[in-house]
Amino acid sequence: AQSVTQLGSHVSVSEGALVLLRCNYSSSVPPYLFWYVQYPNQGLQLLLKYTSAATLVKGINGFEAEFKKSETSFHLTKPSAHMSDAAEYFCAVSVPRGGSEKLVFGKGTKLTVNP
Amino acid sequence: DTAVSQTPKYLVTQMGNDKSIKCEQNLGHDTMYWYKQDSKKFLKIMFSYNNKELIINETVPNRFSPKSPDKAHLNLHINSLELGDSAVYFCASSQGPRNLFFGEGSRLTVL
Repeated sequence: AQSVTQLGSHVSVSEGALVLLRCNYSSSVPPYLFWYVQYPNQGLQLLLKYTSAATLVKGINGFEAEFKKSETSFHLTKPSAHMSDAAEYFCAVSVPRGGSEKLVFGKGTKLTVNP
Repeated sequence: DTAVSQTPKYLVTQMGNDKSIKCEQNLGHDTMYWYKQDSKKFLKIMFSYNNKELIINETVPNRFSPKSPDKAHLNLHINSLELGDSAVYFCASSQGPRNLFFGEGSRLTVL
């Protein structure tokens, strides 16, 4: 069964430092993978997605993620953290379900950015 | 114009009551969803409708009944509310399964 595991429920970085949020997937078929961001008291917003095209995916707000099949990983990075990046980040995989598909989410990683 | 709008944003009620949450999307999408986010922020799909037809029902108790009067609306009715139903409920829509647009959530508190 397809699933994702996010390593680290909390990540804390200094403003200007590299952001690295880890996601590993398990899938018996080529996966479609996503990163979503949730700001406090808001819904989820799509950051980026991997749909079997380029392995390095660029998203909004300067984030990018690299699909590595050999490592079954899809880690999210940003070269320089900004205070406004503080939020909860969710990795997700698209899973076939009864002729349709559904998103299965990881448990989330809360990013704190310190001044 | 909000793309996916949910009402109410906050709902506080007693155990045993019945309540509804409404969702509307103005994106012209064919598919709509309900997700539940628990107190630990874990997100799980509950239902999915495509063009008013139920396509995913993720072993949700019968007390939860979704209704889609048209493809722009997906409402969630919950009977006999229990403490464990306290959560944030998110509506989402998509054209195809891989680009979901989420509403801002409806926070349900059952006392």
